[in-house]
Amino acid sequence: AQKITQTQPGMFVQEKEAVTLDCTYDTSDPSYGLFWYKQPSSGEMIFLIYQGSYDQQNATEGRYSLNFQKARKSANLVISASQLGDSAMYFCAMREGPGYKLSFGAGTTVTVRA
Amino acid sequence: GAGVSQSPRYKVAKRGQDVALRCDPISGHVSLFWYQQALGQGPEFLTYFQNEAQLDKSGLPSDRFFAERPEGSVSTLKIQRTQQEDSAVYLCASSLTSGGWDNEQFFGPGTRLTVL
Repeated sequence: AQKITQTQPGMFVQEKEAVTLDCTYDTSDPSYGLFWYKQPSSGEMIFLIYQGSYDQQNATEGRYSLNFQKARKSANLVISASQLGDSAMYFCAMREGPGYKLSFGAGTTVTVRA
Repeated sequence: GAGVSQSPRYKVAKRGQDVALRCDPISGHVSLFWYQQALGQGPEFLTYFQNEAQLDKSGLPSDRFFAERPEGSVSTLKIQRTQQEDSAVYLCASSLTSGGWDNEQFFGPGTRLTVL
């Protein structure tokens, strides 16, 4: 079964607007961590934000925020005030249980229009 | 630089050739990971090292894939008798420790392998 599901293969957003990228996950472990990475065309994976399963508040990092809904098993990424440099592939990932490896979704391509 | 480096950045191999991909993690990082990323997909876990010990190789797709990290720093992923389905980007990542939920993995730029 797919551990991480990203249902939006591609999205367009106008510069300066906000965009929400969907991510749902599947785990039976009570302890897990959720990550979002950005992968520009250069190929390098860039860490954006982290949410722990026991964290009470939604994570925020600058223009990035994570809308964590534990009961729904969703961890959507919100990018506010989009910039042209935000155009990239975005991956949701999970680390579960006592593990260390990351399980990634298929990704969402974001294209920011001027 | 201070980041994870990988070499070569691009590798073209003829089917049946052996290849070796190198990863230089961030100095002092205990954990090292290899992932395989097919075109248009998310990375898939291959193997994990804690220092020089290979603690998990469950993601290696076949016995043609072999990874080592003999001195607990630089790692090499070797693919023997390459096949066309091995064509992918191979990403290396390192993290400072082995534990901690928010333990961030820092990724290298990847090696794009094309098997003809």
